[in-house]
Amino acid sequence: AQTVTQSQPEMSVQEAETVTLSCTYDTSENNYYLFWYKQPPSRQMILVIRQEAYKQQNATENRFSVNFQKAAKSFSLKISDSQLGDTAMYFCALNYGGSQGNLIFGKGTKLSVKP
Amino acid sequence: DAMVIQNPRYQVTQFGKPVTLSCSQTLNHNVMYWYQQKSSQAPKLLFHYYDKDFNNEADTPDNFQSRRPNTSFCFLDIRSPGLGDAAMYLCATSRASKSNEQFFGPGTRLTVL
Repeated sequence: AQTVTQSQPEMSVQEAETVTLSCTYDTSENNYYLFWYKQPPSRQMILVIRQEAYKQQNATENRFSVNFQKAAKSFSLKISDSQLGDTAMYFCALNYGGSQGNLIFGKGTKLSVKP
Repeated sequence: DAMVIQNPRYQVTQFGKPVTLSCSQTLNHNVMYWYQQKSSQAPKLLFHYYDKDFNNEADTPDNFQSRRPNTSFCFLDIRSPGLGDAAMYLCATSRASKSNEQFFGPGTRLTVL
């Protein structure tokens, strides 16, 4: 069975500083994708970043980057130069189940960016 | 702008009274998903459509049904809502691929009285 675990229910960071959100997962598949989604308060969920398991290079998207450790089944998200607009729930997700893109989500980390 | 639209944004129903939530998309994606998200919890997949093929998750209660009359629209029917069904219901779409992101709608918050 596939599982995704986020061990930090809540985190806070000062504006302009860097924060890292943790995620571990388990899957028996060899080819899979990992995602970080952001769900701001009262707004819809959007993709932050994705990582293909076959790629060793860590994905980056502007201020967002991941530390993907395949052997350890770890997929952390680093947010640099945190902004007030980064305040949101962050969900780590694992694709499973063939080509239809089904996702299993972690329980989420509530990030608060403080001015 | 291409998007995923959910109506209504807020829905109040009575215990046991059937309710239908709707989702439409302008992305022309062939996969549409319905998730249930309870307060401060992760979204939980209820079922999805791959084109016209319906795929139910094993633990989705029979009380939940879905219809997809065409590519653009998908409906979630709750036949006899219980108090435990109060939640945010999220619709999402994607192209059929492991790598493709899912695009989410804003959700419908269901209250059961």
